[in-house]
Amino acid sequence: EADIYQTPRYLVIGTGKKITLECSQTMGHDKMYWYQQDPGMELHLIHYSYGVNSTEKGDLSSESTVSRIRTEHFPLTLESARPSHTSQYLCASSETFNSPLHFGNGTRLTVT
Amino acid sequence: QKEVEQDPGPLSVPEGAIVSLNCTYSNSAFQYFMWYRQYSRKGPELLMYTYSSGNKEDGRFTAQVDKSSKYISLFIRDSQPSDSATYLCAMSGGGSYIPTFGRGTSLIVHP
Repeated sequence: EADIYQTPRYLVIGTGKKITLECSQTMGHDKMYWYQQDPGMELHLIHYSYGVNSTEKGDLSSESTVSRIRTEHFPLTLESARPSHTSQYLCASSETFNSPLHFGNGTRLTVT
Repeated sequence: QKEVEQDPGPLSVPEGAIVSLNCTYSNSAFQYFMWYRQYSRKGPELLMYTYSSGNKEDGRFTAQVDKSSKYISLFIRDSQPSDSATYLCAMSGGGSYIPTFGRGTSLIVHP
């Protein structure tokens, strides 16, 4: 049973809009992550967080930002959406580094 | 060369077959190895988590790690149509604290 929740599940928006993808976990995990997943491709790490008030950029260059004001909440914001942002966004958490990740069910974003 | 290589498939097998899924990697510092299963329109779910070399069994699933060859495998015995999904390998360790994922192998088990 998933203890990590992502909303919305599906989102279709126009170019230039600002959007926030929500992610919450109830496991008390310190480490949280955002990945981007395209069909048949590897998961690409966009952002991660060590804990409250600590965020880092991942391997994939991204025009998004994140915040970590509370342990359980790790939202991702796109200031100005573009068609190139069309993808699936997966949020995950883990107890420590090197421990398994627990994933949400993702947000499938389409930018028209 | 990518750090983790995984054949995307698809791999199609009849129900009841033994399935072998594999990944190779280049970073010899990796010590933690994971297999995830991802159904369509869902997030990945953890199947197996192993540390260092050796085998680990859980029901119909066996994970195998050969660090000398930088090769990991997931075996599924008595495969079922409900096993049809994408299987992703992931690994971390050394200076890489966050798992690096393979691209996933699509498995289709037909009745």
